[in-house]
Amino acid sequence: AQSVAQPEDQVNVAEGNPLTVKCTYSVSGNPYLFWYVQYPNRGLQFLLKYITGDNLVKGSYGFEAEFNKSQTSFHLKKPSALVSDSALYFCAVRDMGRASKIIFGSGTRLSIRP
Amino acid sequence: EAEVAQSPRYKITEKSQAVAFWCDPISGHATLYWYRQILGQGPELLVQFQDESVVDDSQLPKDRFSAERLKGVDSTLKIQPAELGDSAMYLCASSILAGEGDTQYFGPGTRLTVL
Repeated sequence: AQSVAQPEDQVNVAEGNPLTVKCTYSVSGNPYLFWYVQYPNRGLQFLLKYITGDNLVKGSYGFEAEFNKSQTSFHLKKPSALVSDSALYFCAVRDMGRASKIIFGSGTRLSIRP
Repeated sequence: EAEVAQSPRYKITEKSQAVAFWCDPISGHATLYWYRQILGQGPELLVQFQDESVVDDSQLPKDRFSAERLKGVDSTLKIQPAELGDSAMYLCASSILAGEGDTQYFGPGTRLTVL
């Protein structure tokens, strides 16, 4: 069965510093990996996804994520954090096969201090 | 930029009452999803439609929840009767197709509070 884990409930970073939000996954086949961001009382906004190809994926708002097959990880990164990046971030995974469904992690709250 | 529309944004009801949520997906998106998100957790799939057909409703509590997408466009999710444990955010999402790599785009959600 597929699963996804976000080991940190909260990440605190100073504005201007690099940030990393961690995600690990488990699937039986090739994974399809996604990152979404959620602001208070809002739906999820798509940031980026990995399907195949280059392990470094670039997405919206300056975010990027690196797919590491050997470590089964897909960490979200940004070189320089902004206060406006403060939000709830969800990693999601979908296994190969049209019958699979997307599974979301429990979320990581990112807090950027000025 | 096209968006998924949902209404109402907030709903307060008493237990045992009926509630209904509406979703209008992005135009041209054949696949529509309803998710439930409990506070502090990630969304969990309730039901998936491909056009007007249900593809997956394995996690839908069918004794009280129902969903329809009659013309393959907009959709309604109903709860009858509502229970205290149904308090959550109900999210609708859509994608062009149902492929594993297809991006799902989410609406703003409906926050349900059951008293």
